[in-house]
Amino acid sequence: DARVTQTPRHKVTEMGQEVTMRCQPILGHNTVFWYRQTMMQGLELLAYFRNRAPLDDSGMPKDRFSAEMPDATLATLKIQPSEPRDSAVYFCASGLGGGYDEQFFGPGTRLTVL
Amino acid sequence: AQSVSQHNHHVILSEAASLELGCNYSYGGTVNLFWYVQYPGQHLQLLLKYFSGDPLVKGIKGFEAEFIKSKFSFNLRKPSVQWSDTAEYFCAVNAYNTDKLIFGTGTRLQVFP
Repeated sequence: DARVTQTPRHKVTEMGQEVTMRCQPILGHNTVFWYRQTMMQGLELLAYFRNRAPLDDSGMPKDRFSAEMPDATLATLKIQPSEPRDSAVYFCASGLGGGYDEQFFGPGTRLTVL
Repeated sequence: AQSVSQHNHHVILSEAASLELGCNYSYGGTVNLFWYVQYPGQHLQLLLKYFSGDPLVKGIKGFEAEFIKSKFSFNLRKPSVQWSDTAEYFCAVNAYNTDKLIFGTGTRLQVFP
């Protein structure tokens, strides 16, 4: 059955390195969300797109995070430079509409920044 | 700003016990409400949702939730839990006509046989 896929599943990197996470939404879904999950903050919305256009990235630290959708089958989240406080699980989700509609989540990327 | 509170961070139950997980939100307008579940090693998936109508909503695997507007609550219940219900449960709220889902911090449920 159709699923959201994310790569890599795990990433360990050193402080200052660039990290790129990728997400393939479910075919036909026009809305893509990026979330970050930490023990302290829970699930936070970082950014989201509709029809590949960024609608809101107010949840992202602008100086180091960037999110793009180069095409309808790929969403990317980049951190440059990475810091230890970025260690978290990053989830991508896709759906057919806005927040009122079911979101289908990927398996997440567990990022550890040393 | 909207927020969601899940007061139980960690719940431990024996099989066949009844479950109720609390969820309260802060938002004065119309809302859509969700419970998502994350089983160990798996991705988040929708358990149930409320948009309108009957405030008692039934979901998958015998779960149900009741929307009490006057209490800004959407508690999750199951009359008899199973070991396979061991998971993390997230309550989420969406303000009507907006795109964002605001999640609670989650409740970790452990069910022992």
